[in-house]
Amino acid sequence: GAGVSQSPSNKVTEKGKDVELRCDPISGHTALYWYRQRLGQGLEFLIYFQGNSAPDKSGLPSDRFSAERTGESVSTLTIQRTQQEDSAVYLCASSVTLAASYEQYFGPGTRLTVT
Amino acid sequence: GDSVTQMEGPVTLSEEAFLTINCTYTATGYPSLFWYVQYPGEGLQLLLKATKADDKGSNKGFEATYRKETTSFHLEKGSVQVSDSAVYFCAQKGNNRLAFGKGNQVVVIP
Repeated sequence: GAGVSQSPSNKVTEKGKDVELRCDPISGHTALYWYRQRLGQGLEFLIYFQGNSAPDKSGLPSDRFSAERTGESVSTLTIQRTQQEDSAVYLCASSVTLAASYEQYFGPGTRLTVT
Repeated sequence: GDSVTQMEGPVTLSEEAFLTINCTYTATGYPSLFWYVQYPGEGLQLLLKATKADDKGSNKGFEATYRKETTSFHLEKGSVQVSDSAVYFCAQKGNNRLAFGKGNQVVVIP
């Protein structure tokens, strides 16, 4: 079946512009996660969604970052007024449930470059 | 807080060589531990896991043993193949999320 998909695969933007990244989880997966991977760094947790429960936003690095998810479908990560330090690969993952968060299925990522 | 530390730098080795990638964790209690792998052009995927001390996870010829005495979960493979070239991430399960190490790029030369 279809895995997790993300779009765009690459995004180059100018400093100060807003960007929106999209994630389509595996159908039926109730939990969805966003991570950031800066060059030479590990995956940094940003946010997760579980069904219709309130998301855990504790990993978002600043108020320029926000994410939405409607039900158990597509999620979008928005970065406002982008800065050069936002350049990274943004990864989305989903799991059957939050309790099964150990087995996350990852998308290929969106490489964001802020010039 | 909870964290995972992997050995520094990429690993380059010849086909059929023995591979070890070190991983240590810092956590309260005994978290479940994982190795994820990212093949070129693909998303991360779960390679193996261990949910309690002394458990051994294994898959595709890779093994890792959960050692609580040394808080380690080193990844090993006895004879690597070119197709094992990838980035390997160690991770631990925290509060409804995974904490990942920085990853190690493994390059296997024919």
